[in-house]
Amino acid sequence: DIQMTQSPSSLSASIGDRVTITCRASQSSCNYLNWYQQKPGRAPKLLIYAASSLQSGVPSRFSGSGSGTEFTLTISSLQPEDFATYYCQQSCATPLFGQGTKLEIK
Amino acid sequence: QLQLQESGPGLVKPAETLSLTCSVSGVPIKSSDYYWGWIRQPPGKGLEWIGSIYNSGNTYYNPSLNSRVTISVDTSKNHVSLRLNSVTVADSAMYYCAYGGYRYGYGNWFDPWGQGILVTVSS
Repeated sequence: DIQMTQSPSSLSASIGDRVTITCRASQSSCNYLNWYQQKPGRAPKLLIYAASSLQSGVPSRFSGSGSGTEFTLTISSLQPEDFATYYCQQSCATPLFGQGTKLEIK
Repeated sequence: QLQLQESGPGLVKPAETLSLTCSVSGVPIKSSDYYWGWIRQPPGKGLEWIGSIYNSGNTYYNPSLNSRVTISVDTSKNHVSLRLNSVTVADSAMYYCAYGGYRYGYGNWFDPWGQGILVTVSS
């Protein structure tokens, strides 16, 4: 079975920082990799689909890249509303989420 | 605007059946090319896909839950249902329904999600 591993599990950063979160698949998979943002007490929200396509309405400071087994989510300049938990999800076969990366303010 | 709203009992006894409904507004539930999913999240933990149902009626379930899960749609009420049998404390979680988007060559995803409903399994 494919495993999705995110790193780091948690991250402290400051407003204006550039942040990168990585998602690795245990086996080479298709590029159907999605990223979600979840704020406390809220449902997840789709940010990026198919590894690098920005969902409508999502700020352009969010970007995604990667293929095969390694994918990244980058926030180019952190804003106060970006502090949240981020999840990757592969949709090549059975939908599978990474364990999440909690982004906290430094 | 598409909106989803989960409903059902917030407390279920061990060994009983968890039954939840996702009421959909803004799009006919049997629209082609789309699908519906259920995802859960234990308190303080990550997301786990439970299963999905497609317009064709085909259902796909997480293998770890397959024998206990049933997802169905009621087109007359425009809602999606989830049934999980023989629940244990480990099934306590926030349960979300979500709309499944798809585009050829881009895969599929869940967006938007309902606000979720917290279900606790306890005697």
